[in-house]
Amino acid sequence: QKEVEQNSGPLSVPEGAIASLNCTYSDRGSQSFFWYRQYSGKSPELIMSIYSNGDKEDGRFTAQLNKASQYVSLLIRDSQPSDSATYLCAVNSRTSGGYQKVTFGTGTKLQVIP
Amino acid sequence: EAGVTQFPSHSVIEKGQTVTLRCDPISGHDNLYWYRRVMGKEIKFLLHFVKESKQDESGMPNNRFLAERTGGTYSTLKVQPAELEDSGVYFCASSHWRVWGPYEQFFGPGTRLTVL
Repeated sequence: QKEVEQNSGPLSVPEGAIASLNCTYSDRGSQSFFWYRQYSGKSPELIMSIYSNGDKEDGRFTAQLNKASQYVSLLIRDSQPSDSATYLCAVNSRTSGGYQKVTFGTGTKLQVIP
Repeated sequence: EAGVTQFPSHSVIEKGQTVTLRCDPISGHDNLYWYRRVMGKEIKFLLHFVKESKQDESGMPNNRFLAERTGGTYSTLKVQPAELEDSGVYFCASSHWRVWGPYEQFFGPGTRLTVL
């Protein structure tokens, strides 16, 4: 089982719709969860972080965390063509040496159709 | 505030040669991370510095890779000798430190390494 799993997509949504991106993780002790957006050929850009159960909203973005289900999601309301990118889920976990590190999923490619 | 910078942006070398990548973190960030993304795969952790000390180098693939962070400022990642499978994009990221876990990491633009 991968530490962080995402559906690779592509996920296609029409402009103006809600895009829902999902991520599951294996380490129950994980405490910090991040969503990054990566445009083709560019570096990952942090768009949301969430640390406690529930929802966290920032503009058109809402991150949702359910630690009991080991599930984190990202909702993008009023999707725009400029939102088309790969969205990376990142989760902190503890290594065998006791260190904290961040593990990335493979990313979900989102396509917003005008 | 300047972001994370990396140099060079691209590097094309032949198998067996040496390449050194550089990363300048955001000023004041004690944590510095190196990652690598091979074509079609997820971003993989390589190592983590806290100031000048290697906190975790569990992701380094083998002893052909050497990372340093002298003085706790910029970092270099040397690959010697380079092999074909080392091709990919090498990202550097930095963050603040806090007691109970990592802060948000901010990524540099990456160095695209191609080994022929």
